[in-house]
Amino acid sequence: QSALTQPASVSGSPGQSITISCTGTSSDVGSYKYVSWYQQHPGEAPKLIIYDVSNRPSGVSDRFSGSKSGNTASLTISGLQAEDDADYYCNSYTTRSTWVFGGGTKLTVL
Amino acid sequence: QVQLVESGGGVVQPGRSLRLSCAASGFTFRSHGMHWVRQAPGKGLEWVAVIWYDGSNKLYADSVKGRFTISRDDSKNTLFLQMNGLRVDDTALYYCARDDNPPFDLWGRGTLVTVSS
Repeated sequence: QSALTQPASVSGSPGQSITISCTGTSSDVGSYKYVSWYQQHPGEAPKLIIYDVSNRPSGVSDRFSGSKSGNTASLTISGLQAEDDADYYCNSYTTRSTWVFGGGTKLTVL
Repeated sequence: QVQLVESGGGVVQPGRSLRLSCAASGFTFRSHGMHWVRQAPGKGLEWVAVIWYDGSNKLYADSVKGRFTISRDDSKNTLFLQMNGLRVDDTALYYCARDDNPPFDLWGRGTLVTVSS
């Protein structure tokens, strides 16, 4: 059960777009549409922002979008805002009927 | 108010046991599977365990299998995590989260477990 691979950090200026990758294997990301993304601000619980690869829960800004190709999923944030400065985690269902998170990516809005 | 509230964390010596609780309110608890997820200080999220809505299936991360047991009491709308044989690397903030469509859509604020001699 190795963690999904995410870049440790990404950065961007307000108004720009950034993309965070999440690489797994054919036993998790590559096998299912059940890939989700979470935003976590310091001292807070994670918040679901994308589920089933590309769906947004009600209330989540449409600046957040998700996609997947093969064993790699991606989260794109467009029109960066100061409040997007946070940690981001991907998550996938696996062929063992368990779940696995990515190692997390710290997004810095410059 | 839809919420999850964890409790039971604390400081414990290596090898000892601890039981965490997660009280659910504002939704039909018995209709949902439930997860435990942990986060070591300054580290990322790690999925720990899941129990299906009817308790018929329980699955664990390899790192806790054989030591931790997830359970639920639907009469009390409460989820549990029995942790035995605790190790220093089990030190973390433990969250409970709801399994729905989508999964992990609702989280508690966590309870801190510190394993130290």
